Amino acid sequence: DSGVTQTPKHLITATGQRVTLRCSPRSGDLSVYWYQQSLDQGLQFLIQYYNGEERAKGNILERFSAQQFPDLHSELNLSSLELGDSALYFCASSVGSGGRRETQYFGPGTRLLVL
Amino acid sequence: GQQVMQIPQYQHVQEGEDFTTYCNSSTTLSNIQWYKQRPGGHPVFLIQLVKSGEVKKQKRLTFQFGEAKKNSSLHITATQTTDVGTYFCAGDSGAGSYQLTFGKGTKLSVIP
Repeated sequence: DSGVTQTPKHLITATGQRVTLRCSPRSGDLSVYWYQQSLDQGLQFLIQYYNGEERAKGNILERFSAQQFPDLHSELNLSSLELGDSALYFCASSVGSGGRRETQYFGPGTRLLVL
Repeated sequence: GQQVMQIPQYQHVQEGEDFTTYCNSSTTLSNIQWYKQRPGGHPVFLIQLVKSGEVKKQKRLTFQFGEAKKNSSLHITATQTTDVGTYFCAGDSGAGSYQLTFGKGTKLSVIP
């Protein structure tokens, strides 16, 4: 158990809908990262928040957005969902601002299926 | 942008055989990290390499960082069924970068 929690574990929805994925980092960690894992693309970095502010942006679509709240939990919002958005979404956390030499601790993931 | 390539994509070995996965970056890395993801699980940090030419061992696992800090390898000696999973390398270019770039991983199957 990494100490990172994610809800829900599974999510099934229809195209065009909007969903929110939630992540609570390990106690004391200030950074939260979001990744998308699909079968043929490996782990794609989406976005990082550090202490409430956006720190780094990866391959995140404009239909996706995220935020980190004062209690440091984070939410990833996915809107106008398409079939291709079906994937496993992982949240990870690290103790500091991230990047150089920081270990990331991954949550169990949310499996999203868009029908 | 930075790219991290891993080969092979899949590897099937007989239990007791050795296994190696290779990681190559398009840019020089500040450090490289290795993660393991068991089937149905999430990535778990294994190790981090920082110095040029660094070699680290964890029991049957040997990790190497290339002299030019653009490649790395993970070698498992005498694989066991508990080694099954996908092994990812992840690199940080260090140039003000706050993100790790993950390779696509090598999926290891061990035949008992």
